[in-house]
Amino acid sequence: DAMVIQNPRYQVTQFGKPVTLSCSQTLNHNVMYWYQQKSSQAPKLLFHYYDKDFNNEADTPDNFQSRRPNTSFCFLDIRSPGLGDAAMYLCATAGLAGVGAETQYFGPGTRLLVL
Amino acid sequence: GDSVTQMEGPVTLSEEAFLTINCTYTATGYPSLFWYVQYPGEGLQLLLKATKADDKGSNKGFEATYRKETTSFHLEKGSVQVSDSAVYFCALTPTNAGKSTFGDGTTLTVKP
Repeated sequence: DAMVIQNPRYQVTQFGKPVTLSCSQTLNHNVMYWYQQKSSQAPKLLFHYYDKDFNNEADTPDNFQSRRPNTSFCFLDIRSPGLGDAAMYLCATAGLAGVGAETQYFGPGTRLLVL
Repeated sequence: GDSVTQMEGPVTLSEEAFLTINCTYTATGYPSLFWYVQYPGEGLQLLLKATKADDKGSNKGFEATYRKETTSFHLEKGSVQVSDSAVYFCALTPTNAGKSTFGDGTTLTVKP
C-alpha cells in the first residue's frame, strides 16, 4: 500500500545533541511537510517542500533544518535540541495538482524525548 | 488569514450516544474541508473530507456537510463506540492547495 513512513517511532536524545528524524513516502507526492505537535494540540507547520523548493515558516527556529535529497525522502534535523523541543513530529505529503491535491496524508509520527 | 474554530473539549459520551463536534471556519474563496482523527500515540488519519459547498463527507459512520452559508463543517455520528475515543481535528486547505489550517482539536472519550 502507498504510504508515509516515519522512522524511528520513538527517539530519545540528549540536550544539545543533534538528532535527525526521517520520513519516506511511496505516494510519489511532490509536496512534503514537517509539523511539530505538542500534547494533542493542533499540529504546527515547521516547513514544507514543493519538489525541491524549500519553504520555511517565519516562526520556525533556526535550530530546525530540513533536507530533501529526492522525491521519496525528507529529513528533519534538530541541531541542538532543547527540552522544549520534546514533541511529536509529523510528516505529511500531498500531490501538487489535480484531483485530491488538497489532501494531506500523514505518517504515524516520531515522538522525540529530550533528556 | 484563514482560521478554524472547533468546539472545545473534552467531550465525554456513553456508548451509542449521538455525537456532534462543531467546526466553523474563516477563509477566502472555496477551501476544502477535512476532519482528521488522531488515536493515542499515532499520527493524524484522514477521516473524511468535502471539497465544495453542500458536499457531504462520510466514513466509518461519521458525516460532515460543507455549509458555505454558515461556514461550518460539523462532525456527526449517530452511535459512538468506545473505539471512537480519540482527538478530532477540523482543518481547511485553501483553493490553491496551499498550507492547511487546523483547529485546536477536540478530545472525545466514549465510556462503555
